[in-house]
Amino acid sequence: AQSVTQLGSHVSVSEGALVLLRCNYSSSVPPYLFWYVQYPNQGLQLLLKYTSAATLVKGINGFEAEFKKSETSFHLTKPSAHMSDAAEYFCAVSREAQKLVFGQGTRLTINP
Amino acid sequence: GAVVSQHPSWVICKSGTSVKIECRSLDFQATTMFWYRQFPKQSLMLMATSNEGSKATYEQGVEKDKFLINHASLTLSTLTVTSAHPEDSSFYICSAREGGGTDTQYFGPGTRLTVL
Repeated sequence: AQSVTQLGSHVSVSEGALVLLRCNYSSSVPPYLFWYVQYPNQGLQLLLKYTSAATLVKGINGFEAEFKKSETSFHLTKPSAHMSDAAEYFCAVSREAQKLVFGQGTRLTINP
Repeated sequence: GAVVSQHPSWVICKSGTSVKIECRSLDFQATTMFWYRQFPKQSLMLMATSNEGSKATYEQGVEKDKFLINHASLTLSTLTVTSAHPEDSSFYICSAREGGGTDTQYFGPGTRLTVL
């Protein structure tokens, strides 16, 4: 069965600093992996997705994630945080019948 | 990119009444749509999968008679919360799956339901 674990329910970084949000997955088959961002009282916006092509995936807003099979990880990074990056971030893995399994989410706070 | 809308964005209703939420894919056809529920500061919980032209499939523990789902066209799915109670108050989010084999789901903006 597919599952996702996000390490750290809350991450706080200074503006301009590196952002690193951790995601580890468990999957019995080659996974499709996703990162979504959610702003308050809004739906989810797709940041990026891994679909077994390049292991380094570039997304919107300067985010990228690297698929590491040996570590079963799909961590999200951004070199320089911006105040507008403050939001909730969800990692997800696809399971049978195109369903998504979400991690518990990581709230990112940006300090000025 | 693919756009999904939801209507209404928020609704307040009295206990015992029914509420219908619409989910539309605006610029693509979605044979499959999904309905999620999200409690404050928590992750999304999949409630059901909505397939165009067939009955929805519900996740374990979700009452199909309480949460009625209809997917009458390739661009519209509806969720009706029947005989709503305060414990049904939540943020309901739909998503629509774009074809092509990559399992990408595009999400609506969500509907905040408050049952008094």
